Amino acid sequence: GENVEQHPSTLSVQEGDSAVIKCTYSDSASNYFPWYKQELGKRPQLIIDIRSNVGEKKDQRIAVTLNKTAKHFSLHITETQPEDSAVYFCAASRGKGYSTLTFGKGTMLLVSP
Amino acid sequence: DSGVTQTPKHLITATGQRVTLRCSPRSGDLSVYWYQQSLDQGLQFLIQYYNGEERAKGNILERFSAQQFPDLHSELNLSSLELGDSALYFCASSATGGDYGYTFGSGTRLTVV
Repeated sequence: GENVEQHPSTLSVQEGDSAVIKCTYSDSASNYFPWYKQELGKRPQLIIDIRSNVGEKKDQRIAVTLNKTAKHFSLHITETQPEDSAVYFCAASRGKGYSTLTFGKGTMLLVSP
Repeated sequence: DSGVTQTPKHLITATGQRVTLRCSPRSGDLSVYWYQQSLDQGLQFLIQYYNGEERAKGNILERFSAQQFPDLHSELNLSSLELGDSALYFCASSATGGDYGYTFGSGTRLTVV
């Protein structure tokens, strides 16, 4: 089955800095890669996703890049703000029919004012 | 409100007992997923149902079982509870399968004492 590795497990940055979280996956058939943000005590929420037919996708301060050859994808957050502090999860799936998402173990991002 | 409803929000029970967690998916979603989240284990996939049928199984213990009813709500049954079963249990739903991001419910926090 799919295996998703996520690094780093914790990341501390100063407000205004950029943050990068990286994930690798094992199943070459995976072609859907979402990212979730989970604030303390709350549910995971989808913040951005990318499919294998594109290499990069942006949404305001958030971007995701995908390298299918190397089987890795990354989340980039620019101009970080304290409200970006949360646990971020990457995930991967084959993106067809009844396939399920496999999640990474999460990255705790702490943005200090 | 994500549209995915989980009850109860909190549950405290003793070892050896049995509990039932309930999930109502977002309107129109046919797939329901159950995930267990412990402090150091990230989001562990338990089981998926699609339109009443079991579609995929993850690391679900034999003491745990689930079903999806004709009205598409799902129940996760946990029996012979152990201290290690204490965790946050999330239900998520999607229109079909893993080709689109999931919408998570707010979770049920289970504490086994």
